[in-house]
Amino acid sequence: QSGLTQPPSVSGVTGQRVTISCAGSSANIGAPFDVHWYQQVPGTAPRLLIFTNNRRPSGVPARFSASRSATSASLAISGLQVEDEADYYCQSYSRSGSVIFGGGTRLTVL
Amino acid sequence: QVQLQESGPRLLRPSETLSLSCTVSGGSISRFYWSWIRQAPGKGLEWIGYIYSNGKSNISPALKSRLTLSVETSKNEVSLRLTSVTVADTAVYYCARGGATEFDGLDVWGLGTTVTVSS
Repeated sequence: QSGLTQPPSVSGVTGQRVTISCAGSSANIGAPFDVHWYQQVPGTAPRLLIFTNNRRPSGVPARFSASRSATSASLAISGLQVEDEADYYCQSYSRSGSVIFGGGTRLTVL
Repeated sequence: QVQLQESGPRLLRPSETLSLSCTVSGGSISRFYWSWIRQAPGKGLEWIGYIYSNGKSNISPALKSRLTLSVETSKNEVSLRLTSVTVADTAVYYCARGGATEFDGLDVWGLGTTVTVSS
């Protein structure tokens, strides 16, 4: 149990908007700690998609956005494309300073 | 741009010690946090520890008794040492760069190295 709960899978059709939730608690996101998001195409290393709750690194399309509330966070992908099919992980911290990842969400583009 | 390359043995027997290195090229190891993350086959990401360039480290509670992280700034290299490995330590091991604080995202990742523990 990582402390961050994500749905195991979500799906959408090309052009659609999908969201992936990341539920935490007062022991992590709500402590409060920032949330980061990673995208991992199967067979490759993860890449940073969103940092500090809602900021995009250079090179990440504006189709990717994220938000954070008291004890949870969510990633939104608009204008879904086939190449968005991947695993997505949220990441935050515990009060002891440990890094914690959500269990990951597999996005399927239909 | 900054690149990370993990290296080390790929196959170990149970009870042996795993030693991996992460060599940083295209940038300095100084004033950054460096994390190790692993991913067991078919599973999600598991953070195992981080180390700052001055040697300050934080280890996952699950591995605290077996894991040591070290940094060699003259070689631009961070290393991990995991003792008494078991089949459960079989995973792809990644090193990743954090930021100037331990709460920054991991913005550069190595390609990962697959470690298999088997008798």
